[in-house]
Amino acid sequence: GNSVTQMEGPVTLSEEAFLTINCTYTATGYPSLFWYVQYPGEGLQLLLKATKADDKGSNKGFEATYRKETTSFHLEKGSVQVSDSAVYFCAHQGDGGTSYGKLTFGQGTILTVHP
Amino acid sequence: NAGVMQNPRHLVRRRGQEARLRCSPMKGHSHVYWYRQLPEEGLKFMVYLQKENIIDESGMPKERFSAEFPKEGPSILRIQQVVRGDSAAYFCASSWGTGSIGTEAFFGQGTRLTVV
Repeated sequence: GNSVTQMEGPVTLSEEAFLTINCTYTATGYPSLFWYVQYPGEGLQLLLKATKADDKGSNKGFEATYRKETTSFHLEKGSVQVSDSAVYFCAHQGDGGTSYGKLTFGQGTILTVHP
Repeated sequence: NAGVMQNPRHLVRRRGQEARLRCSPMKGHSHVYWYRQLPEEGLKFMVYLQKENIIDESGMPKERFSAEFPKEGPSILRIQQVVRGDSAAYFCASSWGTGSIGTEAFFGQGTRLTVV
């Protein structure tokens, strides 16, 4: 079945460090891929997305590239800030049929950035 | 344009009571999804609704849980005879469409249900 696996956290970094959060998926067809961010006590916000192979999603300094050959969508940022501290979720969305628009999420990775 | 509105934000129920969670989608959105987030876990799909129709309820527990999205008014997730294991954050998301173009789902802030 469809699934998403994220690297286990928590991840603790110093400000300005490089960030990578790994994400791999299993799915049929050609899903769309997403990264969502959840700040404490809040709902999920879309961070970036990619809808086809080799697409690169980017936003607020974060990037992720849709790698169909490795079924991966790793999140990266060159220089993290304290304000990036949050929980990050990788997700995929089916390409229609019975999957409709529902999202399958990874378990989330807690990121803490220290000054 | 207000975002997805969920209420209440926090809900405390005693075991055996009913919980009713409400979700008003963004204006113009007719697709609603409910997800549950258990402590220390990711979000799990529960149900997908369009106006007056349940499209996919494959993630809903078979008993005590129901959902509706009437022609007028918010979508309701109803949990009857709550148990401690129902304690979780319940998130609603809405979108204008579905399909293969990565239609963005907008999430509400969630309802945090605590069963005591």
